[in-house]
Amino acid sequence: GAGVSQSPSNKVTEKGKDVELRCDPISGHTALYWYRQSLGQGLEFLIYFQGNSAPDKSGLPSDRFSAERTGGSVSTLTIQRTQQEDSAVYLCASQSGTAPKILTDTQYFGPGTRLTVL
Amino acid sequence: LAKTTQPISMDSYEGQEVNITCSHNNIATNDYITWYQQFPSQGPRFIIQGYKTKVTNEVASLFIPADRKSSTLSLPRVSLSDTAVYYCLVGAIKAAGNKLTFGGGTRVLVKP
Repeated sequence: GAGVSQSPSNKVTEKGKDVELRCDPISGHTALYWYRQSLGQGLEFLIYFQGNSAPDKSGLPSDRFSAERTGGSVSTLTIQRTQQEDSAVYLCASQSGTAPKILTDTQYFGPGTRLTVL
Repeated sequence: LAKTTQPISMDSYEGQEVNITCSHNNIATNDYITWYQQFPSQGPRFIIQGYKTKVTNEVASLFIPADRKSSTLSLPRVSLSDTAVYYCLVGAIKAAGNKLTFGGGTRVLVKP
């Protein structure tokens, strides 16, 4: 079946502009995660959605970052007033499990959106 | 999540076995050990997961000693397409979601 998709695949923007990144998770998956990966680095957790529960925003680096998940499916990550240090690959992952299996169920990652802030 | 330490890089040749050891000295009782693989310009992909002893699937084997303070991912007879970054993660089952923390991983380069 279809995997996780993300759009756009690449985004180049100017410093100070707002950007929106989209994630379409695997159908039926209740959990959705956003991560950020800087060049040559590991992944940095940003935000987590699980069903209709309040999202876990503990990884968002600043109040310029926000995310929504509409209807328990598609998610949008918004970065306001982008800065050059925001340049990275933004990865989305979905997962089918709920507690207590939330660790052992695999996270399926999308291809990512490469954001470049000039 | 328990902190993990793994080699930065490893070189190998086609047909050889590659073993990557990950140290996780402060692993907790409820922690599982999971390995992901990431190719350039792609998101990470789940390889294997275990709790203790040995786990084997069609892709790899995972060896976990009795004290669980380390684990070894074994890739049999690697090919050029196994060139990737391999991440070791350790974390517990919890109700609040699994916020995977990836370290720098191990860059495996398979040479012809």
